[in-house]
Amino acid sequence: KTQVEQSPQSLVVRQGENCVLQCNYSVTPDNHLRWFKQDTGKGLVSLTVLVHENDKTSNGRYSATLDKDAKHSTLHITATLLDDTATYICVVGDRGSALGRLHFGAGTQLIVIP
Amino acid sequence: DMKVTQMPRYLIKRMGENVLLECGQDMSHETMYWYRQDPGLGLQLIYISYDVDSNSEGDIPKGYRVSRKKREHFSLILDSAKTNQTSVYFCASRNREDNQAPLFGEGTRLSVL
Repeated sequence: KTQVEQSPQSLVVRQGENCVLQCNYSVTPDNHLRWFKQDTGKGLVSLTVLVHENDKTSNGRYSATLDKDAKHSTLHITATLLDDTATYICVVGDRGSALGRLHFGAGTQLIVIP
Repeated sequence: DMKVTQMPRYLIKRMGENVLLECGQDMSHETMYWYRQDPGLGLQLIYISYDVDSNSEGDIPKGYRVSRKKREHFSLILDSAKTNQTSVYFCASRNREDNQAPLFGEGTRLSVL
């Protein structure tokens, strides 16, 4: 059973537009949530991590929120660039150490067009 | 420069052949992982290694085995590969205790014909 669901599955935006990616999960316990960016043919690169209830983080044009009560996170990308074209993967960790498991969503494929 | 290196990057094998995927890291991370990534699915954990000769099965270990004889090196072995093992395989590493993100390699794309 999939424990991390991402939406939309794919998204096309024009350069300069903003977009929002969603992540819903049922992982318990939910120690932390991390967003990764995966360029085509590459590995995953961490963008941001959220740990506490109602956490909000910002990393340049990327910002994220976490609602632990609703088990929901959003990733906002502002003023998209062509280089933002990638798959964005939501990952929920059930513990703070490597003894825990990471639960991966299938990703949202973002395509930014000129 | 912190890096996880996977070799080879691309591999084509025939069904029934043996496959060796290699992963190395230069950060002395205790914990290393092997995942596979298939279209429409999240990464699935094959094996996790907590240190040298301390390996545990993940969620989909059947058809795979691993070897970790040095902390910086973690191998994934497919004895008699099957066509349904065609996938992209990712290795990752992280410190055991802290909450830093795992560092991923760039993947090995394996095709079993």
